[in-house]
Amino acid sequence: GENVEQHPSTLSVQEGDSAVIKCTYSDSASNYFPWYKQELGKRPQLIIDIRSNVGEKKDQRIAVTLNKTAKHFSLHITETQPEDSAVYFCAASRGNAGKSTFGDGTTLTVKP
Amino acid sequence: SQTIHQWPATLVQPVGSPLSLECTVEGTSNPNLYWYRQAAGRGLQLLFYSVGIGQISSEVPQNLSASRPQDRQFILSSKKLLLSDSGFYLCAWSVGRGNTEAFFGQGTRLTVV
Repeated sequence: GENVEQHPSTLSVQEGDSAVIKCTYSDSASNYFPWYKQELGKRPQLIIDIRSNVGEKKDQRIAVTLNKTAKHFSLHITETQPEDSAVYFCAASRGNAGKSTFGDGTTLTVKP
Repeated sequence: SQTIHQWPATLVQPVGSPLSLECTVEGTSNPNLYWYRQAAGRGLQLLFYSVGIGQISSEVPQNLSASRPQDRQFILSSKKLLLSDSGFYLCAWSVGRGNTEAFFGQGTRLTVV
């Protein structure tokens, strides 16, 4: 089955700096890669996703890149703000987004 | 618009007691439904998913079971809880066709004592 590894497990940055979270996957048939943000005690919510036919996608301060050959994808957050502090999960799936394999999460702390 | 309801929000149960967590979705039909468990400091582990009424697939062997008695209702159950069943349980749904995002319920914090 699919295996998703996520690094780092914790990340601390100063407000205004950039944050990068990286994930690798094992199943070359995976074709959908969502990123979820989970605030403490709350539900995960999608912040950005990318499909295997695209190499990069950007939404304001958030961007995701995908390298299918190397089987890795990354989340980039620029100009970080304290409200960006949360746990971020990457995931990979093929054909059924809810049946995803998740990474173990990255706890991002943005210091004011 | 679509909404997903999951209850209860928190639950403390003794070892050996039964469990029933319920999840319902509104505003859509024929959704795919999922139960995930999240251990402290870890990612989400898929427990069960369903593509239709009465159709349940189990992803991992465990002490739990799932049922889908109606199109938009998904239930997670156990006959006898174990200490290791403690965790944060999340119900989710996605569009029945296509590969799009999953929408999560608010979760149930289960503590088995």
